[in-house]
Amino acid sequence: DSGVTQTPKHLITATGQRVTLRCSPRSGDLSVYWYQQSLDQGLQFLIQYYNGEERAKGNILERFSAQQFPDLHSELNLSSLELGDSALYFCASSVFSGRELFFGEGSRLTVL
Amino acid sequence: SQQGEEDPQALSIQEGENATMNCSYKTSINNLQWYRQNSGRGLVHLILIRSNEREKHSGRLRVTLDTSKKSSSLLITASRAADTASYFCATPSSNDYKLSFGAGTTVTVRA
Repeated sequence: DSGVTQTPKHLITATGQRVTLRCSPRSGDLSVYWYQQSLDQGLQFLIQYYNGEERAKGNILERFSAQQFPDLHSELNLSSLELGDSALYFCASSVFSGRELFFGEGSRLTVL
Repeated sequence: SQQGEEDPQALSIQEGENATMNCSYKTSINNLQWYRQNSGRGLVHLILIRSNEREKHSGRLRVTLDTSKKSSSLLITASRAADTASYFCATPSSNDYKLSFGAGTTVTVRA
């Protein structure tokens, strides 16, 4: 158990809908990372937060947004969903940037 | 874009044999990390090697780093069926804020 909790584990929705994925980092970790993993794109970095502030942005679509709250949990919002958004979405946390990441078990999103 | 690229893409070995996989990266790094992912599960951190280190061991794992060639290798000795997984190398960006993963090496250990 990595100590990182992600909900929901599975989510099935329709195109055009909006979903929110939630992540609770390990106790004491200030950095939260979001990744998307699909068969054709591999593991893609989306965004990183440190203590509530956005630190780095990767290949995150404009339809996607994220935030980190004062209690350090984070949410990834995906809107106007398309079939191609079907993927595993991982949250990871670390004490400091550049150090080892601890991953949650992921949220598997299926868009029909 | 992916900073690290693993080679080979897939590897099949007999239980008890050693497995070696390589990672090449493009820009200077402060450290390089290796992760394991069992099918459909979250990634698990295996080992971090700093840029001033050449070799590091952790149990049956041995990692080397050659900064002049911008490459790293992961050796799993005396493999077990439980080692069947995908293995990824990961490198931080220059400001350490982004950790990029390669496409991974899928290792299958046959009983």
